[in-house]
Amino acid sequence: AQSVTQPDIHITVSEGASLELRCNYSYGATPYLFWYVQSPGQGLQLLLKYFSGDTLVQGIKGFEAEFKRSQSSFNLRKPSVHWSDAAEYFCAVGAGYGGATNKLIFGTGTLLAVQP
Amino acid sequence: DGGITQSPKYLFRKEGQNVTLSCEQNLNHDAMYWYRQDPGQGLRLIYYSQIVNDFQKGDIAEGYSVSREKKESFPLTVTSAQKNPTAFYLCASRYTSGGSTDTQYFGPGTRLTVL
Repeated sequence: AQSVTQPDIHITVSEGASLELRCNYSYGATPYLFWYVQSPGQGLQLLLKYFSGDTLVQGIKGFEAEFKRSQSSFNLRKPSVHWSDAAEYFCAVGAGYGGATNKLIFGTGTLLAVQP
Repeated sequence: DGGITQSPKYLFRKEGQNVTLSCEQNLNHDAMYWYRQDPGQGLRLIYYSQIVNDFQKGDIAEGYSVSREKKESFPLTVTSAQKNPTAFYLCASRYTSGGSTDTQYFGPGTRLTVL
């Protein structure tokens, strides 16, 4: 069965430090992969996505992610974190029939705190 | 402005009452979705609809019902049969074109509390 694992429930980084959030997936075919961000009490905003091609994808707000098929991973990175990046981050894999993104499988999220 | 709207933002319900959550989109998206979010559990799919007058159960459909009479609207009813309805509910929509534009976009959510 398809699944997504985000092993870090809670991460704290200092403002200006680099960030890497881990995501591992289980899916038989070439996956469609997504990172979303959620501020408290808000909906999810798409940060970036990977469908095919270059395995390093750039997103909004200075985020990037790298697809590594051999490791079944799609880790999210940012070179310098800002206080406004504090939020919850969700990794998802598109695993649906009738369209690869018809059904998204979400990880349980990583809550990012940023220290001044 | 194009987007997905959900109303109300906060909703309180007494036990035994049905309640309907609204979701409207003006993105001309074909597919719409309802998710439930609980702390530490990520998002779980309740129902989805790919075209008007058709919808399918997701992973946790028991105690919920939906309708899709218009392309723009996909209301969710939380019935009294739902044993633990207190949660954050998110609506999403998707343009079913395939390819790199095939992505789900989310509304701002409705927080339902059962008193």
